Amino acid sequence: EVQLVESGGGLVQPGRSLRLSCTASGFTFGDFAMTWVRQAPGKGLEWVGFIRSKAFGGTTEYAASVKGRFTISRDDFKSIAYLQLNSLKTEDTAVYYCTRDGGNSYGLNWGQGTLVTVSS
Amino acid sequence: SYVLTQPPSVSVAPGQTASITCGGNNIGSKTVHWYQQKPGQAPVLVVYDDSDRPSGIPERFSGSNSGNTATLTISRVEAGDEADYYCQVWDDSDHSNWVFGGGTKLTVL
Repeated sequence: EVQLVESGGGLVQPGRSLRLSCTASGFTFGDFAMTWVRQAPGKGLEWVGFIRSKAFGGTTEYAASVKGRFTISRDDFKSIAYLQLNSLKTEDTAVYYCTRDGGNSYGLNWGQGTLVTVSS
Repeated sequence: SYVLTQPPSVSVAPGQTASITCGGNNIGSKTVHWYQQKPGQAPVLVVYDDSDRPSGIPERFSGSNSGNTATLTISRVEAGDEADYYCQVWDDSDHSNWVFGGGTKLTVL
């Protein structure tokens, strides 16, 4: 059974940093791109970015709203995807989900999400 | 940047058919995916690649995509189908990214 478990969320002050983890099991992690999606309270889904598998260079893409502040990385040995959030703003407050990508850039499986609250 | 437009809400009686649209400029040239999200839960993929269903998703869920509109159709609607539904595409016209529609709240009367 595929499982994705996010962790690392919490309350953080504006301007500070946080690192989220997405621990995967039930599939060959290194074979798949991994994507992060967020959802602000009461709002819709917003794509954050993704990291390709090593077979496709392991490169990353980011939404304009987070580019330069957020960084996605992966550890294929540990089956973990990371989302480093720097220079956090109040508008980054959201539940952050990680997804295993399907072949045509969609979220095949989703974690339960982790809440990040940015507030002073 | 590419924009997807969904109606904020759709209402349907149990046993009837619900159609949720997703509008976008020449969306028929893109591949559309659909997610269901119930309150307090993570999204679940219900249709991918315009009209395919992941394993475990009932045949009552179907999708189509042509011209400027993609449609998620739910036949024989049940109370348990009440949820928010989001369409999504991959867009690389500006830079590579996923684009989500604003979401549609399906209410089962």
